[in-house]
Amino acid sequence: GQQVMQIPQYQHVQEGEDFTTYCNSSTTLSNIQWYKQRPGGHPVFLIQLVKSGEVKKQKRLTFQFGEAKKNSSLHITATQTTDVGTYFCYGGSQGNLIFGKGTKLSVKP
Amino acid sequence: NAGVTQTPKFQVLKTGQSMTLQCAQDMNHEYMSWYRQDPGMGLRLIHYSVGAGITDQGEVPNGYNVSRSTTEDFPLRLLSAAPSQTSVYFCASSRHTYNEQFFGPGTRLTVL
Repeated sequence: GQQVMQIPQYQHVQEGEDFTTYCNSSTTLSNIQWYKQRPGGHPVFLIQLVKSGEVKKQKRLTFQFGEAKKNSSLHITATQTTDVGTYFCYGGSQGNLIFGKGTKLSVKP
Repeated sequence: NAGVTQTPKFQVLKTGQSMTLQCAQDMNHEYMSWYRQDPGMGLRLIHYSVGAGITDQGEVPNGYNVSRSTTEDFPLRLLSAAPSQTSVYFCASSRHTYNEQFFGPGTRLTVL
């Protein structure tokens, strides 16, 4: 079945350092979405990527979709304590969409 | 708009009891889904619906039933609760299958 692998599982950074999480699929994805879940909260949509090679930016966050549409990344520049949470990718094809297991980010002030 | 609402927020059940988790959305979304979230397991799809009257199984459907009689409501029924169903349950909705999902606040369920 569809598998979406997300790495790393955990990332601990010092405030001001950069952070990247990766999402990989064995099959071509129709699109990919990224969500953020704060501790004790619910997942909140960040962005959707649809086109091969697409790059989108939201302030300090940069999202990329691979040329083969099999991988994606979320990069945060100069992390802040407000970036703490778990970041999930969500993607699939032919109506079969699943979440990656998430990357939990902790930021030390 | 209230968005996606879920009740109750917390629930404790004894093994063998049944209950219904309620989910409603006021955005006229066609696609609704239920997930369970366990530590280290991410969000796993239980059941989903692409429109009123249409439901299908997700990754972990055993022990759960759903129905979708209206566009707005998508209740999740636990038939005979087991300790393995202790989890946080999220309901989500989106305009269609590939659109952004809006999540409810979640129900934290403990089965003793």
